Amino acid sequence: NAGVMQNPRHLVRRRGQEARLRCSPMKGHSHVYWYRQLPEEGLKFMVYLQKENIIDESGMPKERFSAEFPKEGPSILRIQQVVRGDSAAYFCASSHDRSNQPQHFGDGTRLSIL
Amino acid sequence: DAKTTQPNSMESNEEEPVHLPCNHSTISGTDYIHWYRQLPSQGPEYVIHGLTSNVNNRMASLAIAEDRKSSTLILHRATLRDAAVYYCILREYNAGNMLTFGGGTRLMVKP
Repeated sequence: NAGVMQNPRHLVRRRGQEARLRCSPMKGHSHVYWYRQLPEEGLKFMVYLQKENIIDESGMPKERFSAEFPKEGPSILRIQQVVRGDSAAYFCASSHDRSNQPQHFGDGTRLSIL
Repeated sequence: DAKTTQPNSMESNEEEPVHLPCNHSTISGTDYIHWYRQLPSQGPEYVIHGLTSNVNNRMASLAIAEDRKSSTLILHRATLRDAAVYYCILREYNAGNMLTFGGGTRLMVKP
């Protein structure tokens, strides 16, 4: 039973380019969460999605960031016109439902902006 | 989610028990106590969770104070692989909400 898969593990972009981060949840999980961990800081919630719906995006920056979780395929976190401050580790987690079950995390995508 | 307070860091010797404390004096009746840990260069990993009663699983034990204002994560025999940052998080049941990570406790295990 594969865990949460994130790719790429490492992504390098130049300022102004776009970054697309992918997350395949665990089999049977329809709830996906994205978190960001800036260097030497804790994890911060960004967005919570259920298939085809954004449930809570209270942690998403207002501009340049978007997320989707289509009916088929992985969840995508998209960052347009990246800036140096976007350099961070981005983690995806999934859960089976809205209950108190644990969230299962991937090993993250480390985004570096040149 | 209600706030939790944990020591910044702790040290332990290998193969000795470790007690990681967490204070959550403003916990509400519907808040579960969750523990996650993050090993270097990895994503967080679920450890254990509970509501009122003490809980045991293959990774650890969770001891919850009678008034629920504090809890302790117990690793019965620390190994070098247990060196990680441990996070104590309160989560309301069935809220389907995000996890709010604080600073956690960095556990160092000495051989």
